[in-house]
Amino acid sequence: AQTVTQSQPEMSVQEAETVTLSCTYDTSESDYYLFWYKQPPSRQMILVIRQEAYKQQNATENRFSVNFQKAAKSFSLKISDSQLGDAAMYFCAYRDNYGQNFVFGPGTRLSVLP
Amino acid sequence: ETGVTQSPTHLIKTRGQQVTLRCSSQSGHNTVSWYQQALGQGPQFIFQYYREEENGRGNFPPRFSGLQFPNYSSELNVNALELDDSALYLCASSSPGGSPMVRDTQYFGPGTRLTVL
Repeated sequence: AQTVTQSQPEMSVQEAETVTLSCTYDTSESDYYLFWYKQPPSRQMILVIRQEAYKQQNATENRFSVNFQKAAKSFSLKISDSQLGDAAMYFCAYRDNYGQNFVFGPGTRLSVLP
Repeated sequence: ETGVTQSPTHLIKTRGQQVTLRCSSQSGHNTVSWYQQALGQGPQFIFQYYREEENGRGNFPPRFSGLQFPNYSSELNVNALELDDSALYLCASSSPGGSPMVRDTQYFGPGTRLTVL
C-alpha cells in the first residue's frame, strides 16, 4: 500500500523568507501524481501545486515550487517570499495513475511570523 | 463557475444512528471523492464515484456507503455510527477532461463536521 510521510509536524518562517516542507512517499508504481494542498484555519482544502511523475521538470506556481526526486521518492515544497496568508496546514498527497487511490500525509502546520 | 458545496455544515448524532451527508460537485466535474479527516490528521480516502458507479474505495467498512446522482452530486451515508466516526467529512470533485494542469485534480468543498455522542 502506498504511504505518504511528512516528517515535520510544525514549521515556522519569517515573513518574506523562504521555507521548504518535506514529503516522502512509498509506491511501487511508476506513473502517479503528487500534490500539495493547503488547509487554512477556515478548513477548505486548496490545491497549491501538482506534479506528474512522468515529468522530470519540477512544477512551479508563482511563489510555490517543488523539488521532485523520483528515485528518492521525495517531493518537497518550497515557498518563497512567505506571506502571512501562507499560514496553514500543508498536506502532501499521492494519487495513483487510475485516479482510484488517494493517500494524504499527516500534514505540516506552517506559521508565518511577522 | 460554482465550486464544491457540502451540507450540512455541522451535524450532531448519537451512537448507533445513521447519517447522510451531501455534496454538489463543481460545474463540469463528473467524479466525486469522499474523505474522512479526524482532528489533527490528514484526510483518509473513503471512496470515489464516477458516472454514478463506485470507482475506488479506501479501507472503510461497508457501513460507509454512497450514491452519485445523474447531475453528479453525491451522498455519503454512514450507518450504525460509532464515536470514532466523529470527524470532518470532505468531498472533492474532479474531471478526467480539461487541460493537463487541471485534469483529474481534486477540488474540495468546505466539509461537514460530524460529532457522534
